[in-house]
Parts: sequence; structure tokens; C-alpha cells
Amino acid sequence: DGGITQSPKYLFRKEGQNVTLSCEQNLNHDAMYWYRQDPGQGLRLIYYSQIVNDFQKGDIAEGYSVSREKKESFPLTVTSAQKNPTAFYLCASSIAGTGGIYGYTFGSGTRLTVV
Amino acid sequence: AQSVTQPDIHITVSEGASLELRCNYSYGATPYLFWYVQSPGQGLQLLLKYFSGDTLVQGIKGFEAEFKRSQSSFNLRKPSVHWSDAAEYFCAVVRGGGGNKLTFGTGTQLKVEL
Repeated sequence: DGGITQSPKYLFRKEGQNVTLSCEQNLNHDAMYWYRQDPGQGLRLIYYSQIVNDFQKGDIAEGYSVSREKKESFPLTVTSAQKNPTAFYLCASSIAGTGGIYGYTFGSGTRLTVV
Repeated sequence: AQSVTQPDIHITVSEGASLELRCNYSYGATPYLFWYVQSPGQGLQLLLKYFSGDTLVQGIKGFEAEFKRSQSSFNLRKPSVHWSDAAEYFCAVVRGGGGNKLTFGTGTQLKVEL
């Protein structure tokens, strides 16, 4: 079955370290997204990509970086510049160029904790 | 900018009772609206969506939502709640600027009492 796989499910980071969250999809979707979820704040957009080798900053991109070298993969790196990285991170994908009418398919998330 | 507001942070209902979760949107044109559900520690699952046509839309798991332009609302309803419906529910709207970007509300946590 097609879907989005996020790994790992739980991740612990020491202060000052960079960590990379994996997101892989086999839905043949062109568009991919990273959201951050904090209690009581809903989901906030970090980065998104509409096509391979291209991506744009979302609302809270500071302290994060991404790459899109393959259609199937959109890894997120949480850098040491992100001052409050403890959160639940969600990856999503959609069919590009549709105006958004189909919504997103989400992965099951990665919970990142700074220790 | 397009936005959605979910005024209720927590709602508790008894099993078998009806449910209505509120969502208000801010958008000039006809919005594309969605309801998602999230179980603890999981991703979000699409319940239903509206982008044109019939203002009453049916979704999965027995949920429905009604788009009311005059009230800028897209409330989610279910006639009889099951204990397994306990979860967090998010309303979302497609926002402008391309990229199929969604803006999410802050969510409503549903508790079901047996």
C-alpha cells in the first residue's frame, strides 16, 4: 500500500547536535511538507517542496534545513540553531498543481526530545 | 491571510450522544476546507473536505460537515459518538500563494465518556 514513512518514531538529541528526520513516500506525489506540532498550537509549516531540487521556507524555517534530491524523499535537519526543537514533527505529501483540493497524506510523525 | 479558528480546546461527550465541533474560517473567496483527526502519537487522517458544490459533505467514520458561507463556518458533526472517536480534531484551509499549503486550526480534543 502507498503511504508516507517517517523514521525514527522517537529521537533524542543533545543540545548542540544536528539531527535528521527521515520522510519517504511511495505515493508518487510531487509536493511534500514538514510541519511542527506543539500542544495547543496546531501545526505550523516549516518547509515545503513542490518539485525535486526545489523547496521553500514556511512560517517557522529558522533553525531547520531540508533537501529534495529525490521525489520520494524529503529529509528535515534540525540544526543546533533551533532553540526549542522538542516537538512532534509531521511530514505530509500531496498532488502538486491541484490547488490543494485533495488535501494531504500524513506520515505517523517523529517525536524529537532534547536531552 | 487565510486562517481557521477552533474555539473549543476540549469537548467531552457521552457515548451515543451527538457531536458538533466548531470551525470558523477567514477567507475572501470560496475556501477549500478540511477536517482531520489525530489519535495520540499518530499522524493526521483526512475525515472530509469541501471545495465546491453541495454544502453538506459526508466523510469517513460517520462524520459530516456543513459549509455555511454566511457564518464563515465549517462545523463537524456526528449523530452518535463512539468511544473510539476520542481523539484530536483539526480544521484546515488551503491558503493562497501557491504550493497547496494548508493552515491548521489549534485543534479540539474530544473526550468520550462511557
